[in-house]
Amino acid sequence: DAGITQSPRHKVTETGTPVTLRCHQTENHRYMYWYRQDPGHGLRLIHYSYGVKDTDKGEVSDGYSVSRSKTEDFLLTLESATSSQTSVYFCAISELWGADTQYFGPGTRLTVL
Amino acid sequence: AQSVAQPEDQVNVAEGNPLTVKCTYSVSGNPYLFWYVQYPNRGLQFLLKYITGDNLVKGSYGFEAEFNKSQTSFHLKKPSALVSDSALYFCAVRDMRGGGADGLTFGKGTHLIIQP
Repeated sequence: DAGITQSPRHKVTETGTPVTLRCHQTENHRYMYWYRQDPGHGLRLIHYSYGVKDTDKGEVSDGYSVSRSKTEDFLLTLESATSSQTSVYFCAISELWGADTQYFGPGTRLTVL
Repeated sequence: AQSVAQPEDQVNVAEGNPLTVKCTYSVSGNPYLFWYVQYPNRGLQFLLKYITGDNLVKGSYGFEAEFNKSQTSFHLKKPSALVSDSALYFCAVRDMRGGGADGLTFGKGTHLIIQP
């Protein structure tokens, strides 16, 4: 999976609790992305980063925040988890923008009860 | 806004037969187009992409895709299907006009089932 790890791989939590998912890369790529995958929706972009401390919102950013203090780490935080955030979350990286290929991590399955 | 449509939720093909997984797209400018494959409980694996140039793009595992600008399509093809090709396939697009580092827009995915 192109030097990308995600942790945890599985998590069950309760409504209203904060949750942080971590994406770690060893490729030294500049761009990092968080997507969620839901049946019938494909993958949808939550947030992305174009450098350390540089982030922006994607299509479905409500209820999520991100941080990137180091090139290799991109954190996704659910401030107060809701059942609608039950999903599989994927991190992706790319070296360049535009036409460059994005490579995906193994995913984190999150269940919010 | 950019969008992708994969009109078939599932495609069934007999092993050894040719396969096609359909994808159409909509962008304001010119597209970058991608195909990814996902096996159960795994992340997405890159298969191939179209940037510019030759309309027929060859990728991993014997797959290829044909870019058709007039039909705004980018169908994935393989001459002879294998049982191991059974997986979930995603088409994705990025508008060249987008600039920046915005992400890909994905279709909903097509389940490809190859029957022995």
